[in-house]
Amino acid sequence: KAGVTQTPRYLIKTRGQQVTLSCSPISGHRSVSWYQQTPGQGLQFLFEYFSETQRNKGNFPGRFSGRQFSNSRSEMNVSTLELGDSALYLCASSPEPGSGETQYFGPGTRLLVL
Amino acid sequence: AQSVTQLGSHVSVSEGALVLLRCNYSSSVPPYLFWYVQYPNQGLQLLLKYTSAATLVKGINGFEAEFKKSETSFHLTKPSAHMSDAAEYFCAVSATGANSKLTFGKGITLSVRP
Repeated sequence: KAGVTQTPRYLIKTRGQQVTLSCSPISGHRSVSWYQQTPGQGLQFLFEYFSETQRNKGNFPGRFSGRQFSNSRSEMNVSTLELGDSALYLCASSPEPGSGETQYFGPGTRLLVL
Repeated sequence: AQSVTQLGSHVSVSEGALVLLRCNYSSSVPPYLFWYVQYPNQGLQLLLKYTSAATLVKGINGFEAEFKKSETSFHLTKPSAHMSDAAEYFCAVSATGANSKLTFGKGITLSVRP
């Protein structure tokens, strides 16, 4: 079974631009979560989607948004990019939402904002 | 709210030596606990997870962890380190319920000396 895939793997943008990252979960997984990883702040939860609905959101500004499609694929969008948005963005999927479910992570999208 | 503390940011061991990576958690309810490993330029891979079925949890690649409620700890061990174990290790916690959010520790970089 194929793992979680994320596209693109690398991205360079300039301040003020917006960016869209894509995540395809493992086949049959319906819950998708997003995390931001930076050297300073570590791994931080962005949001979780299930059945096309955002179930939970981390402490990030409104510039960060996401959505989930009927096939469980998910996208996240960052508008008005800032230098501090440079990070590795990780997507994780699980069969169902819930704290005991194992989350399987993709390889991430590395975003550099210049 | 849940939190995880991983003491120290870097651990160095000799090949064949015991690996001990410490993790302490804080949770108002019985938690689910996870250890993930991250190799350079990759996503997170699950090593093992605790879901209250057994206090000693065995994972992949010879790793195991013991849940100690009295010490609020979930330390990761491996009897004999291998060069391929060099990576960054993250302890994570999620509370019970329908919330999939993982709260991660800062991570520990493991180096293995030949």
